[in-house]
Amino acid sequence: NAGVTQTPKFQVLKTGQSMTLQCAQDMNHNSMYWYRQDPGMGLRLIYYSASEGTTDKGEVPNGYNVSRLNKREFSLRLESAAPSQTSVYFCASSGGTRYLNEQFFGPGTRLTVL
Amino acid sequence: SQKIEQNSEALNIQEGKTATLTCNYTNYSPAYLQWYRQDPGRGPVFLLLIRENEKEKRKERLKVTFDTTLKQSLFHITASQPADSATYLCALGNTPLVFGKGTRLSVIA
Repeated sequence: NAGVTQTPKFQVLKTGQSMTLQCAQDMNHNSMYWYRQDPGMGLRLIYYSASEGTTDKGEVPNGYNVSRLNKREFSLRLESAAPSQTSVYFCASSGGTRYLNEQFFGPGTRLTVL
Repeated sequence: SQKIEQNSEALNIQEGKTATLTCNYTNYSPAYLQWYRQDPGRGPVFLLLIRENEKEKRKERLKVTFDTTLKQSLFHITASQPADSATYLCALGNTPLVFGKGTRLSVIA
């Protein structure tokens, strides 16, 4: 079991460029999440998907879009990157009763926008 | 407004002592609370979950308490070791989960 995998691990973008962060889980979990983590700000939820076919905004959704491609995969897209989106991005998943179970996190993507 | 606070950004303790980390919240009524450990450059890892009707939960050297009247959870690591040095995050069982900013614990040999 690989758990939660994220690609890429590192990325440098120029302002205005677009990119998609990929996330996949092999635990048959229903729920998946995208967070960003900045120094002094903790983990902030960008978007989440409680089940295949549904997505909801989190605390900081502006500038991002998501796609729950199937039960395994949940991608995060930056359409026009800005320096304020420089951060570490974590994908997570959880299964069973909604939100009661522990969240499993991926290794993170470190994104720098110049 | 809703707020979740972890007592301090950083905590230093001597090896062998008990580390106590605090998580306070306002304007939430979580059904449960979770604690996670995060090492530098890695994603958080789940440690413990405690429900609102549970006063205390233990796992090896870890103990968590949950006081819904005080709106507070305490996380204890007994007989602390340098390997326990990490950032510890509390998360409220709201919909969706809400994370605190974390406390960076350093255990000094």
